[in-house]
Amino acid sequence: NAGVTQTPKFRVLKTGQSMTLLCAQDMNHEYMYWYRQDPGMGLRLIHYSVGEGTTAKGEVPDGYNVSRLKKQNFLLGLESAAPSQTSVYFCASSPRDRAYEQYFGPGTRLTVT
Amino acid sequence: ILNVEQSPQSLHVQEGDSTNFTCSFPSSNFYALHWYRWETAKSPEALFVMTLNGDEKKKGRISATLNTKEGYSYLYIKGSQPEDSATYLCALYSGGGADGLTFGKGTHLIIQP
Repeated sequence: NAGVTQTPKFRVLKTGQSMTLLCAQDMNHEYMYWYRQDPGMGLRLIHYSVGEGTTAKGEVPDGYNVSRLKKQNFLLGLESAAPSQTSVYFCASSPRDRAYEQYFGPGTRLTVT
Repeated sequence: ILNVEQSPQSLHVQEGDSTNFTCSFPSSNFYALHWYRWETAKSPEALFVMTLNGDEKKKGRISATLNTKEGYSYLYIKGSQPEDSATYLCALYSGGGADGLTFGKGTHLIIQP
């Protein structure tokens, strides 16, 4: 039981490049989330999903897209990376009836130069 | 966006001393409160979920109390050890589904040998 995993762990992009972050969970959780963590800002919700094929915007969605084609996977895409997207990205999942009980992945550290 | 405040922002404590810090939240929006322990380069680790006014939870040398009427929770660490060094996050769940969790900015605790 791996819990929540994220790939890659680290990535450096140039401005304008695109990439996809992959999150996978093996706990059969209905809900999945993408957060970004910046110094002094805490964790901010980018997008979330309440089920396969369904996604919704969080607090800071601009510049990101997501997809949830399978229940266990949640992808975060950056179509045209900007330096402002330099951050640590965390994926999380939770059961539907306990949305506050979120389990986090190890994070992806992204630098955009 | 709800205002979840944690204080102090950072804290240096001598090994062996006890310490505590605060999470404040709007009492009218309370459904559940979650404390996480977060070490650098690792994923946030769940400590406690608290749902009832007057709740007290304990895990080893760490304990937490909750006052939903006045909108605060305290986290206590007794006899601090170097391995307690981490950022402690609280998160308020206000209900309403998957996007109902709001994180504070954390208290960064450093235990000095």
